[in-house]
Amino acid sequence: SAVISQKPSRDICQRGTSLTIQCQVDSQVTMMFWYRQQPGQSLTLIATANQGSEATYESGFVIDKFPISRPNLTFSTLTVSNMSPEDSSIYLCSVQRGAGQPQHFGDGTRLSIL
Amino acid sequence: AQTVTQSQPEMSVQEAETVTLSCTYDTSESDYYLFWYKQPPSRQMILVIRQEAYKQQNATENRFSVNFQKAAKSFSLKISDSQLGDAAMYFCAYRSMWNNAGNMLTFGGGTRLMVKP
Repeated sequence: SAVISQKPSRDICQRGTSLTIQCQVDSQVTMMFWYRQQPGQSLTLIATANQGSEATYESGFVIDKFPISRPNLTFSTLTVSNMSPEDSSIYLCSVQRGAGQPQHFGDGTRLSIL
Repeated sequence: AQTVTQSQPEMSVQEAETVTLSCTYDTSESDYYLFWYKQPPSRQMILVIRQEAYKQQNATENRFSVNFQKAAKSFSLKISDSQLGDAAMYFCAYRSMWNNAGNMLTFGGGTRLMVKP
């Protein structure tokens, strides 16, 4: 499976600030995704990061709050904007090499907002 | 929309014993994938096993096996010879097989597995 590096692994941020999380894969992948895992909860898909075009967001998530970039087939970023304590979660990047392949996850970013 | 349900919030097993984690799902599709992921306290999501719905044979990966009952929409995970390192949250997940339905994973609520020495 691909080696997925996610940075930072954790951060503590002030209310109202923004943080960008990076996801780097060691080989080209077709699909990249961003998930959120709120404390004690399961994973929820935020968006699919599309290479060279705007991300596809799931219901309840908007681009202004969670802007996503994917400049190439090995890298993506997720920004959590204007953070509030409700944004305290683990954010996970996942990748899928191609159709029919399983998704593999990065180590996640644990974000705490004071 | 698909839903995935894990009815056991917590399970415990004695080391070296066998445990089964339950998962049911709801879908109107006939072709899809099912997965079990493990999330230890380190928070990394690790793929344990996958099953294609069109395959009748149950998937097996070493000590991990599934009981896939398509008609009943059931997908349970059996862990044999449990080890201390198996202690983790286990998530069942569903994914459509068709691209126009997206490649998103729909996760169940998770089951926390504790392994007693």
